[in-house]
Amino acid sequence: GAGVSQTPSNKVTEKGKYVELRCDPISGHTALYWYRQSLGQGPEFLIYFQGTGAADDSGLPNDRFFAVRPEGSVSTLKIQRTERGDSAVYLCASRGVNTEAFFGQGTRLTVV
Amino acid sequence: AQSVAQPEDQVNVAEGNPLTVKCTYSVSGNPYLFWYVQYPNRGLQFLLKYITGDNLVKGSYGFEAEFNKSQTSFHLKKPSALVSDSALYFCAVRPLTDSWGKFQFGAGTQVVVTP
Repeated sequence: GAGVSQTPSNKVTEKGKYVELRCDPISGHTALYWYRQSLGQGPEFLIYFQGTGAADDSGLPNDRFFAVRPEGSVSTLKIQRTERGDSAVYLCASRGVNTEAFFGQGTRLTVV
Repeated sequence: AQSVAQPEDQVNVAEGNPLTVKCTYSVSGNPYLFWYVQYPNRGLQFLLKYITGDNLVKGSYGFEAEFNKSQTSFHLKKPSALVSDSALYFCAVRPLTDSWGKFQFGAGTQVVVTP
């Protein structure tokens, strides 16, 4: 597709479970960003990849959160031992050279 | 630390009337400033940005924004609102030292345009 694709669109999980959220960036975009948007708030930065490496992970809230981008394209955000406070919409964005950041529709995570 | 404030949770305007969505920021140094719009069940869409130069920036869908350094504001404006402009609008700031896509977003302002 032409845009940033995030799967699943919705995920319901039980407290304490492990989840993976996937982001397919726009083809050729080397920069990839993860954000978290809680209800009634603006998106909050989590992590930024340039190519395969995490260039800035200062927004990850704790060590339960981890993200990878092994081949410099698809990225996976991994959350261990989920808590109810992790419930949010997780947004992914990608950017190419001299382009703006394009956002996906997000994955709505609900921890019950 | 940088911050972005959108003082209005919601703005109501009649179709055809001017629309203003307010944004103020606090950041050290000169920032890059952005406006994004979020329609229901769709991703954030870029509207416009201020980098340098002319304080009045024109963007997509007839929107514009004015950068005011002394007031540290970057208000979004549209001369004549459409019902289709109803959406959630986010102001964002990025300090020059951060990577391009690392934004500090405001909490958002819901715009409701009535026919």
